[in-house]
Amino acid sequence: NAGVTQTPKFQVLKTGQSMTLQCAQDMNHNSMYWYRQDPGMGLRLIYYSASEGTTDKGEVPNGYNVSRLNKREFSLRLESAAPSQTSVYFCASSEARAGVDNQPQHFGDGTRLSIL
Amino acid sequence: QQPVQSPQAVILREGEDAVINCSSSKALYSVHWYRQKHGEAPVFLMILLKGGEQKGHEKISASFNEKKQQSSLYLTASQLSYSGTYFCGTLVYTGTASKLTFGTGTRLQVTL
Repeated sequence: NAGVTQTPKFQVLKTGQSMTLQCAQDMNHNSMYWYRQDPGMGLRLIYYSASEGTTDKGEVPNGYNVSRLNKREFSLRLESAAPSQTSVYFCASSEARAGVDNQPQHFGDGTRLSIL
Repeated sequence: QQPVQSPQAVILREGEDAVINCSSSKALYSVHWYRQKHGEAPVFLMILLKGGEQKGHEKISASFNEKKQQSSLYLTASQLSYSGTYFCGTLVYTGTASKLTFGTGTRLQVTL
């Protein structure tokens, strides 16, 4: 049972380069999320998708774009990477449907991204 | 707005108890708790709902005071495996979907 799979696990970019982080889940979950984690800041939501075909901004969306390719896959794109985007990125998924729906989130192992 | 967690860090000896608090300035639908070990992904612990219902997988207790907009996580007879950073998340309803806003975490270290 793979759960949530993120690729790549590590990446080093130069300022201005573009990159797509991939995320796939095999639990047939409706909702998917992208977070970034910086020291002392906790987990901050970048974008989320409550269902296939919908995406919404989270707390820190600037500099990022997302695509919910299908129910399984949710990708995060950095169009022009900046040093401030150096972080650990986590993808998560849950059974939550539209509305107020309390369901656990299942996290991938993360992508450690450094931008020089 | 992020919920506020306290304390920021705590060191315990094995067998001791700890309480981690989470408070919000907004009315809460629910509070979610996660634990993250160093270098790993966050792992779900439990969800506390209005009315006292709990959804969880581990033998960790917690409380949810809706009026005070607070939740507390109780770690009793701590074990070395309890070490990690604990995050609370408060559910925000956008009008169409739900999302979590996480606190900045409480780092717990259990020693021999």
